[in-house]
Order: sequence, then C-alpha cells, then structure tokens
Amino acid sequence: AQKVTQAQTEISVVEKEDVTLDCVYETRDTTYYLFWYKQPPSGELVFLIRRNSFDEQNEISGRYSWNFQKSTSSFNFTITASQVVDSAVYFCALEDMDSNYQLIWGAGTKLIIKP
Amino acid sequence: NAGVMQNPRHLVRRRGQEARLRCSPMKGHSHVYWYRQLPEEGLKFMVYLQKENIIDESGMPKERFSAEFPKEGPSILRIQQVVRGDSAAYFCASSPPGGPYQETQYFGPGTRLLVL
Repeated sequence: AQKVTQAQTEISVVEKEDVTLDCVYETRDTTYYLFWYKQPPSGELVFLIRRNSFDEQNEISGRYSWNFQKSTSSFNFTITASQVVDSAVYFCALEDMDSNYQLIWGAGTKLIIKP
Repeated sequence: NAGVMQNPRHLVRRRGQEARLRCSPMKGHSHVYWYRQLPEEGLKFMVYLQKENIIDESGMPKERFSAEFPKEGPSILRIQQVVRGDSAAYFCASSPPGGPYQETQYFGPGTRLLVL
C-alpha cells in the first residue's frame, strides 16, 4: 500500500538558517508523482512542486530546493536562508496508479521560523 | 485567471443539520476532487468527479455524505445530519482536462466546518 511519512512533526529554527524537511514514501509502482504543498497559518494550500518518478534531477527554485533519491524513496525539501514568512505546515504527497488518482498525504511538518 | 473558489470559508452547524460546501474549479478545469483535513492531520481523499459523473468515491463515508458536479454550476459536497466528528477543513481541488495523472491538482482555500 502507498504511504507517505513525514517524521518531523515540528521544526523550529532561527531566521536565516537552512532547514530540510524530510519525506519518505512507499509505493509499488514504477511511475508516480511526488508533491510538496505549503499550508500557511491562513489555511490555504499552496502548490510548490510536482516531480515525476523518472526525473531524479534535483530541483532549485529560489531559496527552495528538492532532493529526490529513488534509492532511499525520499523526496526532501530544503529552504535556504529561511525567513519568517516561510513559517507554515508543509505537506509531502504521492500520486500513483494504484491510488487511482488520489493524492496520498503525509501528516505534515510544522515549520516555525523565529526572527 | 481566478483560482479554485470555495464557499463558505467557514460554516457552523448544529448536530443534525445539513452542511453544503461549494467548489468552483479554475476556468478550463473539468476535474474536481474533495479532500478532508482533520485537525493536526494531513489531507484524506474523499471523492473525484468530472462533470455529471462520479469517477471515484472510495474515500467518502458510506452514509450522510454525497457529492455532485452538475453540468452547470459548482461542485457540491453535502453532509446530512452532521455530527461533531465531521468538524474539519474540506478542501476542493481541480485539474485540467488532461486528467489527474497528467496534471497538477490546484487547491481552493478550504471550508472550515465546525459542528456544535
């Protein structure tokens, strides 16, 4: 069965520090998609990235970067030089053929950036 | 291009009442999904619809919950005879005609349902 594990329930760092949010997934499919979403205190869900299982290149977008390691079934998310506005809950999610188009979500990591 | 719209943003109901949650997908999107987020948890899939069709309702509770996406108008998630355990944030997402496996799902702001 598919599963997404975000072992870090809450992380607290001081502004300008780098922080990595871990995501480990389980799937039997060879074709799948991985996602990260941000949920700020206002509650909406903000799409950050969608990654195909065949594309193992790391991705960088500004201060955000993602490290996809198929060998360890991980899709970790790093924020460089964190800012207070990065404070939010971050969710990792998996979509594969077995899930019939559903997104399987991790429990989320609450990130607190202190000034 | 407006994003996914959901209303109301907050809904308070007493036990036994009905709750109707509305979702208008992004322009050009024909696939709608409903997810539920219980407090301090991740989202859980409920139902996937296309216009006038329910494609997958495997995540919907068997009783009291129903969803529709009519030819005209928004998608509606309906909860009859609400109970306290229905209190949650309900998110709607939409994707373009390519389908859920080809396209990203974009989420609305959610409806927070509180059952007293």
